[in-house]
Amino acid sequence: EVYLVESGGGLVQPGGSLRLSCAASRFMFSDYRLSWVRQAPGKGLEWVGCINKDASEIDYVDSVKGRFTIFRDNAKSLLYLQMNNLRVEDTAVYYCVAWDYWGQGTLVAVSS
Amino acid sequence: VVMTQSPLSLSLTLGQPASISCRSNQSLLSSDGNTYLHWFQQRPGQSPRRLIDKVSNRDSRVPDRFSGSGSGTDFTLRISRVEADDVGVYYCMQETHWPPYTFGQGTKLEIK
Repeated sequence: EVYLVESGGGLVQPGGSLRLSCAASRFMFSDYRLSWVRQAPGKGLEWVGCINKDASEIDYVDSVKGRFTIFRDNAKSLLYLQMNNLRVEDTAVYYCVAWDYWGQGTLVAVSS
Repeated sequence: VVMTQSPLSLSLTLGQPASISCRSNQSLLSSDGNTYLHWFQQRPGQSPRRLIDKVSNRDSRVPDRFSGSGSGTDFTLRISRVEADDVGVYYCMQETHWPPYTFGQGTKLEIK
C-alpha cells in the first residue's frame, strides 16, 4: 500500500512561517506530479499548488503566490511546502496529493 | 473554471439510488480528446479518495455501485444503491483547464 505522510503543521502567528513535508513510500515518487490541497475547518477542498516530476513546472493558486513555495527531493521521496507570511485564512488541513493517493493531512492553524 | 454541484446535501434511505450533478462554466473536453473531470469521496474524519477518473473510469477497489457519466459541461455521479459506507462528502474536480485545478463545493450524503 502507498503511504504519503505529511508533517510540520502546527500553530503559528499571522506573518509567521512553516514548512510542511510529505514523505512517500511504496510509491514511484519521481513518476508523479504532486499537489498540495487544503481544507479549511468545515469547508471544501482547495488546490494550493503542484510540482511536476522534475520540478521544472510549479504552479500555485493566486491566493498563495509569492508566499508559498513547493519543492521536492526525488532522491529522498520528499515533497515540501514552504509557507511564509501566513494569514488567518491559511488555516486548514493540508494534504499531499497524487490524485490517486492522498496523505492523512497535517493541520496548520494561523492565529494570534 | 467554476464547478457547481447539486444538490449540496442528500438524505437517502439504504438501498436508494443517489445522483449528484456537477456542472462547469466551460467545456472540460481537452484538446487531447480527454475530459479531465474526476470525482472524490471524503468519508467523515478521513482524507479524500478518488472514486472516478476522467468522467467514468472507476478507481481500483471502488464498488461497481458507483458510476460516472457526462460530457462537455455536465457530469453526474451515480450510486445505484446507497450503503452505510457511502456516507460522506462527494466532490467533483476539473483538471482540464489548470492551473488552478478546481473543485465543486461538495455534496454531503447522509442516511435517513
